[in-house]
Amino acid sequence: IVLTQSPDTLSLSPGERATLSCRATQTITRSNLAWYQQTPGQAPRLLIYGASSRATGIPDRFSGSGSGTDFTLTISRLEPEDSAVYFCHQYGTSPQTFGQGTKVEIK
Amino acid sequence: QVQLVQSGAEVKKPGASVRVSCKASGYNFASYAIHWVRQAPGQGPEWMGWINPGDGSTKFSQSFQDRVIFSRDASASAVSVEMSGLRDDDTAVYYCVRAKPYFDGSRYTFYFDFWGQGTQVTVSS
Repeated sequence: IVLTQSPDTLSLSPGERATLSCRATQTITRSNLAWYQQTPGQAPRLLIYGASSRATGIPDRFSGSGSGTDFTLTISRLEPEDSAVYFCHQYGTSPQTFGQGTKVEIK
Repeated sequence: QVQLVQSGAEVKKPGASVRVSCKASGYNFASYAIHWVRQAPGQGPEWMGWINPGDGSTKFSQSFQDRVIFSRDASASAVSVEMSGLRDDDTAVYYCVRAKPYFDGSRYTFYFDFWGQGTQVTVSS
């Protein structure tokens, strides 16, 4: 399953809403989709699993939605520390695959 | 707290082999599979496969199954990946990740809840 993320880069101001898309070439079974945040030089951090469940300690301004082939990560009120690359990951079908990432820049 | 601590950076020549280790702590080592994921510069991560630390069983991505070996040392709570026949395009950061079970209503699948800090492997002549 190939995951295509859009846009490649999102440039927004603090307090604005960010909407990141992840589209799959085949149905992702039973919402087996996760989102990760990666800052430069760091390992990815789990944000969302099961398409919409927040991981432990993740602020509620991060939310996930979608099913089938179209999924969305929404950051409701951007903060400076949200500047990062965000990856989607499908783990329902082997081989597991990742998107190429969306870079979120804070103006 | 859960920690996965990986071995240090490696520089290898084409055709050589490399071994990356990952030591787990803060949880029952035998209860969670460890996956290996690599990330080439500027790209999304790529899944390589997994090892079950409890019984040593493994599964590989077809892209790597001919060149990669996963192993574990239960007494040290550590796993390792060894890759042979290195090529320039194997230059990447290699991560070990813990797989968390997720029941999707039909079966168990596994997402990645904790990542090691990454090991840079550089292949260059």
